[in-house]
Amino acid sequence: DTEVTQTPKHLVMGMTNKKSLKCEQHMGHRAMYWYKQKAKKPPELMFVYSYEKLSINESVPSRFSPECPNSSLLNLHLHALQPEDSALYLCASSHPVRARGYEQYFGPGTRLTVT
Amino acid sequence: DQQVKQNSPSLSVQEGRISILNCDYTNSMFDYFLWYKKYPAEGPTFLISISSIKDKNEDGRFTVFLNKSAKHLSLHIVPSQPGDSAVYFCAASGSGGSNYKLTFGKGTLLTVNP
Repeated sequence: DTEVTQTPKHLVMGMTNKKSLKCEQHMGHRAMYWYKQKAKKPPELMFVYSYEKLSINESVPSRFSPECPNSSLLNLHLHALQPEDSALYLCASSHPVRARGYEQYFGPGTRLTVT
Repeated sequence: DQQVKQNSPSLSVQEGRISILNCDYTNSMFDYFLWYKKYPAEGPTFLISISSIKDKNEDGRFTVFLNKSAKHLSLHIVPSQPGDSAVYFCAASGSGGSNYKLTFGKGTLLTVNP
């Protein structure tokens, strides 16, 4: 099973709203990631969690707040977003074991529109 | 500075023929390379990977070749099928503290014509 699930599939929110994106994996992976992808561009890394601890924050604005409640779940809390934050938000997970490589398995994404 | 480059934005091939997608990198610290396939409005799907200690890895119709001295890798799809039509991303990761981070190329749109 190489499935990463994300909810919701689509989200429309106003600039004053607070919403959350959710991600779940049951592959036993101990590294989880949030990416942002704009049309016709490659995914851009936002955050990395390793063993439920935040290990990388790619200078993401504080209106994006990640949370890793346990090894299977990853949330992204959104508050006071701007229209330019509209994008496909992707979650991914991987084994943090070097011998198995770092293949990241992606979820289907949440299409976010900020109005 | 673009560390992973896919210089062909698009490629069109006939069904049954070989598709060759190319990728170049500039960072000598990269030691693991991956190919992903992406359909519109979906997440990238992992296809195949290769470690820098190898020069070839094969999985069914997909083969990845790595030329370390040229800092070049390629993905071969044989035979190509219409369902292979998608955007293909090359990605690389390095050793040490950056080993969680994938650096992606800009992607190549492959169209396989029936």
